[in-house]
Amino acid sequence: GAVVSQHPSRVICKSGTSVKIECRSLDFQATTMFWYRQFPKQSLMLMATSNEGSKATYEQGVEKDKFLINHASLTLSTLTVTSAHPEDSSFYICSAPPRGFDEKLFFGSGTQLSVL
Amino acid sequence: DAKTTQPNSMESNEEEPVHLPCNHSTISGTDYIHWYRQLPSQGPEYVIHGLTSNVNNRMASLAIAEDRKSSTLILHRATLRDAAVYYCIRGSYNNDMRFGAGTRLTVKP
Repeated sequence: GAVVSQHPSRVICKSGTSVKIECRSLDFQATTMFWYRQFPKQSLMLMATSNEGSKATYEQGVEKDKFLINHASLTLSTLTVTSAHPEDSSFYICSAPPRGFDEKLFFGSGTQLSVL
Repeated sequence: DAKTTQPNSMESNEEEPVHLPCNHSTISGTDYIHWYRQLPSQGPEYVIHGLTSNVNNRMASLAIAEDRKSSTLILHRATLRDAAVYYCIRGSYNNDMRFGAGTRLTVKP
């Protein structure tokens, strides 16, 4: 079946550095991808929707200059956390939505970001 | 706004059926109902989805109320591996898939 591959699975970085997370759709094309953030014992919070070939749509309260999203091709979307700080430490998950809303959503395995 | 409401937690005994409820009273006619579950430090896993009719697959069954304002995920025989957070999502027309708080299912041996 279709798979969404997310890398890296875990990253530890120093405060002030930038971290890039990749999300690839395998075996299918994804014109749209969702990016979520999840803090411990909380639900997934939608951060932004990336659209292939155009600007991402950010949820209210999410800093677009802080969380740079690029959807350069139909199979790859990237999230870059710029100048990361300890409060950015979280579990980040990408997903490719259904081609129609009558299909299931495919999720990446997540990236645990720890900023020291 | 997740647009669905679920109990925060539920408990079940191993090998007994589990019924996880979800309310989606503002659902539109074209919204599908999706269920996903998540284990710690993993991405969500698909469980089941449906529109109007009840659905069955190897993992679970989905019972949808006639007015579609609620649904119930049924695990026929809970195992320890079914312990997870279960999310009910209303798949909207613009593919806006927001998660609610979910139900944390504990399975007791």
